[in-house]
Amino acid sequence: DAGITQSPRHKVTETGTPVTLRCHQTENHRYMYWYRQDPGHGLRLIHYSYGVKDTDKGEVSDGYSVSRSKTEDFLLTLESATSSQTSVYFCAISSGVTGTDTQYFGPGTRLTVL
Amino acid sequence: AQSVTQLDSQVPVFEEAPVELRCNYSSSVSVYLFWYVQYPNQGLQLLLKYLSGSTLVKGINGFEAEFNKSQTSFHLRKPSVHISDTAEYFCAVLLYNNNDMRFGAGTRLTVKP
Repeated sequence: DAGITQSPRHKVTETGTPVTLRCHQTENHRYMYWYRQDPGHGLRLIHYSYGVKDTDKGEVSDGYSVSRSKTEDFLLTLESATSSQTSVYFCAISSGVTGTDTQYFGPGTRLTVL
Repeated sequence: AQSVTQLDSQVPVFEEAPVELRCNYSSSVSVYLFWYVQYPNQGLQLLLKYLSGSTLVKGINGFEAEFNKSQTSFHLRKPSVHISDTAEYFCAVLLYNNNDMRFGAGTRLTVKP
């Protein structure tokens, strides 16, 4: 398995509270991604990073922000969580110059917003 | 933007039978295509990918897929499935020079003894 860890693995929070999810890699890969997985939608890209302090929006970025201050860490923040953000969140990494290289996925974080 | 349709949400099949999981995509430009598998309570794992060249792509665990540009399809096949193939399978498409991978909604394959 690629060296990707996500923390926490499970979290229950209340509407309106801030939440930060962490993705940590030991592979020194350039690209890191945050996805959310919801029934009937597959995975949808939230944000991705192509280097330290270099990030871009994905398909469903509203309500989320990200930061990458070190190669190995990519943080996803929900500034004010809403029930619609209840989901399973996956981090992924890839090494290539473009996005065509294989993406390796972390184990996921199950977030419940009450 | 590109999109992906997986035509079957659930596919039940008996052990040792062949299986085909269907995937169609839409895009106005050239794409790369992927199939991922997700076992229960795990992340996704790459089965195979098409970048260029031969339209028949072989992947891990005996799976293969064929890229059909005229029909904009990338169906996944296995000639004989095992109980251990029970999982959810996702088709995904990526545009050239783009990092926004789009996934289908998934097909749940259930292999029965």
